[in-house]
Amino acid sequence: DGGITQSPKYLFRKEGQNVTLSCEQNLNHDAMYWYRQDPGQGLRLIYYSQIVNDFQKGDIAEGYSVSREKKESFPLTVTSAQKNPTAFYLCASSIGTASPPPAFFGQGTRLTVV
Amino acid sequence: GQQLNQSPQSMFIQEGEDVSMNCTSSSIFNTWLWYKQDPGEGPVLLIALYKAGELTSNGRLTAQFGITRKDSFLNISASIPSDVGIYFCAGQVTGNQFYFGTGTSLTVIP
Repeated sequence: DGGITQSPKYLFRKEGQNVTLSCEQNLNHDAMYWYRQDPGQGLRLIYYSQIVNDFQKGDIAEGYSVSREKKESFPLTVTSAQKNPTAFYLCASSIGTASPPPAFFGQGTRLTVV
Repeated sequence: GQQLNQSPQSMFIQEGEDVSMNCTSSSIFNTWLWYKQDPGEGPVLLIALYKAGELTSNGRLTAQFGITRKDSFLNISASIPSDVGIYFCAGQVTGNQFYFGTGTSLTVIP
């Protein structure tokens, strides 16, 4: 079945640690996105990538980093510089046309700082 | 970033009733999207709108791209229990920046 797989579903991080969230898609989509969701708020864009080896910052990129070495993979690293990392993280993908909407979302990773 | 205001924030309705919700912005958007999110899951795209005045249906769901390009509406007819969830609007100005609303939580009472 085609889709987007995020792992892990739940992640606990100690303060000061970097953690990496995985996002894999087998839809052959060119564009991939990372969003952060906080309670009672809309999704906010962290990073997006339209093509392999290229990515752009979204509204809240500070404290995060990404890579896009393969078309199907777009991992997100939450660094110790991110002051308030506890949130629900969503990865999305869409067909590679100009400015495509994020059409498919993964099931999300809930990150908690302990 | 852009701010999208969704209303109402939450709704409690009887099964079989129709539902209306809307999304407004202070800026003009070129694309409007509507998503549904179940608890602990990622959002699912319901409807995409690309032209001012466009009216698009997906089963019992109908969405409209406002004439002013600053708003969009979603209607659900004859609600059923599985319509329960949070409905998000999203708008795009240019490029890959999509801005999401804060969501409308829908509860359907059987």
